Amino acid sequence: GAVVSQHPSWVICKSGTSVKIECRSLDFQATTMFWYRQFPKQSLMLMATSNEGSKATYEQGVEKDKFLINHASLTLSTLTVTSAHPEDSSFYICSARQGLGAGGNEQFFGPGTRLTVL
Amino acid sequence: AQTVTQSQPEMSVQEAETVTLSCTYDTSENNYYLFWYKQPPSRQMILVIRQEAYKQQNATENRFSVNFQKAAKSFSLKISDSQLGDTAMYFCAFTRRTNRDDKIIFGKGTRLHILP
Repeated sequence: GAVVSQHPSWVICKSGTSVKIECRSLDFQATTMFWYRQFPKQSLMLMATSNEGSKATYEQGVEKDKFLINHASLTLSTLTVTSAHPEDSSFYICSARQGLGAGGNEQFFGPGTRLTVL
Repeated sequence: AQTVTQSQPEMSVQEAETVTLSCTYDTSENNYYLFWYKQPPSRQMILVIRQEAYKQQNATENRFSVNFQKAAKSFSLKISDSQLGDTAMYFCAFTRRTNRDDKIIFGKGTRLHILP
């Protein structure tokens, strides 16, 4: 149980285009989803926290107009990188958490999406 | 603000040996969770072990165990009988027990190499 999927797993796009990454909780309802960015050999950097049906909360320094997050249902959150540039190339990871107190606040992680912007 | 510190950027041990990864954290909270996550070359984050701060007993999962010292704010991970598949990046992490939106604070990680 507690499986989180991400799609696509790998994407290459041209500079200036937009890319959408999907994060789905497959066997549980995720009240909260998180989006992380990870550079090579570094730790995970939290970008934003999203709750179903409400606006995402972005971490300081993360451009909300560039990284659009939509948590439309209890099983789906999307991250759209708008007008992508080569510096947006990175590994993006989502995670999902069940309700308050469930599972000890554990987050279940997706397999990640590697974005390369040419 | 909470912080998590992993002082060992990289470690190497021989297969079958025991290795201990260090982690310290700083918080003023009393109720929280601590985690060790493993990230193998596939980059999938895998939960290795979880400790609830109010529990004095150290958590154990098969070959993995922790030494949780709440007063010292220390949370080390011991891997016994290490295997080649244990080669990965290991992240120590903290989250408060309250507030459903609470984020996980990750350390910078320790890259562990298990040598054949």
